[in-house]
Amino acid sequence: DADVTQTPRNRITKTGKRIMLECSQTKGHDRMYWYRQDPGLGLQLIYYSFDVKDINKGEISDGYSVSRQAQAKFSLSLESAIPNQTALYFCATSDSPPDRGIYGYTFGSGTRLTVV
Amino acid sequence: GENVEQHPSTLSVQEGDSAVIKCTYSDSASNYFPWYKQELGKRPQLIIDIRSNVGEKKDQRIAVTLNKTAKHFSLHITETQPEDSAVYFCAASDNAGKSTFGDGTTLTVKP
Repeated sequence: DADVTQTPRNRITKTGKRIMLECSQTKGHDRMYWYRQDPGLGLQLIYYSFDVKDINKGEISDGYSVSRQAQAKFSLSLESAIPNQTALYFCATSDSPPDRGIYGYTFGSGTRLTVV
Repeated sequence: GENVEQHPSTLSVQEGDSAVIKCTYSDSASNYFPWYKQELGKRPQLIIDIRSNVGEKKDQRIAVTLNKTAKHFSLHITETQPEDSAVYFCAASDNAGKSTFGDGTTLTVKP
């Protein structure tokens, strides 16, 4: 089945370390997003990309960077992890049909990141 | 930027009763309003959506209403069942397809 896959599922890392979270999709969607979810809060947008050459900052991009290696792959990096980046991270994709309509997201299974 | 407020944060109902979750948004340019259901330990999944040119949409036991003038939209679940227990998120999307989410409502349906 076409899907959105995130790796790793869980990760514990130390303060100051660089870490990369990966997202790949087989849905053929052009639009990809990275969100962060904290307990009791909604999802906050970190970065988004509408095609390989288009990268945009979201509302909480400080301390994060991304790479869109291909249409199907969108990676999130924490350059120097800090404890308040401990959260559940979701990758999402959405379709961009010829009518340029807006459609809902398909989320990956999430990466639970703990920074100690 | 867009701001989405969602109420209530928790909701407990008896099986068979109805549940209503309400959201307001700030940016009049938002024109697509999806709702997601997130079960414990799982990914959010789209359950229903509504576009700004429609006032109401229904899919079996769930329905969504939109009042563009007042900038609010609501999710209605009728005949609730225990499997409806989850966290529900509303969102407002701009023309670029970028979504701003509410903080979520934890719905508990008691058997």
